[in-house]
Amino acid sequence: EVQLVESGGGLEKPGGSLRLSCAASGLTFSNAWMSWVRQAPGKGLEWVGRIKSKTDGGTTDYAAPVKGRFTISRDDSKNTLYLQMNSLKTEDTAVYYCSGLGYDFWSGAYYFDYWGQGTLVTVSS
Amino acid sequence: DIQLTQSPSFLSASVGDRVTITCRASQGISNYLAWYQQKPGKAPKVLIYAASTLQSGVPSRFSGSGSGTEFTLTISSLQPEDFATYYCQQLNSYLFGPGTKVHIK
Repeated sequence: EVQLVESGGGLEKPGGSLRLSCAASGLTFSNAWMSWVRQAPGKGLEWVGRIKSKTDGGTTDYAAPVKGRFTISRDDSKNTLYLQMNSLKTEDTAVYYCSGLGYDFWSGAYYFDYWGQGTLVTVSS
Repeated sequence: DIQLTQSPSFLSASVGDRVTITCRASQGISNYLAWYQQKPGKAPKVLIYAASTLQSGVPSRFSGSGSGTEFTLTISSLQPEDFATYYCQQLNSYLFGPGTKVHIK
């Protein structure tokens, strides 16, 4: 059974930094494309960013609202995904989910197959 | 940038009803679309990917169709556990639609 467990959330002041972690088990983490998705209180889902597997280049892509402030990384030796969040803004307040992507061979599309339970980040003075 | 819209935003329905939710893309996205279900306080769960492929373990009352710019998620006979919010997602940019909340009539 695949398990993704996020940690590192909490209260931070505007302008501050936080690092979220996502510990993965039950999947071959080194082969997995991983992503972060967030959900502000009472709002919809918002994609944050994605990291490919190292065999696929290990590259990252980010949504416009977080580009230049957030960095996704991975430690395949620890089966762990990270989200470094700098220059935090009040609008970054949300539950942050990590997700493992599944691959559909027929279409070539990656979809969000596995999800953690989420960790709450609150940015407030 | 490609935008996604969903209709309706809210839907009242009864157990046993056939329910259809529409997702429209501002540009053609082939079949690069997924549908997710989210219940309050829980993580989303994938139902459909590649527009019409049912994820393993998802009940067959869920189905997806469409290609290009218009897509539908259909629940053939609504069950009590289906009351939730449903999101479409474009699988190139990973953009999510705004969601459709299905609640009890």
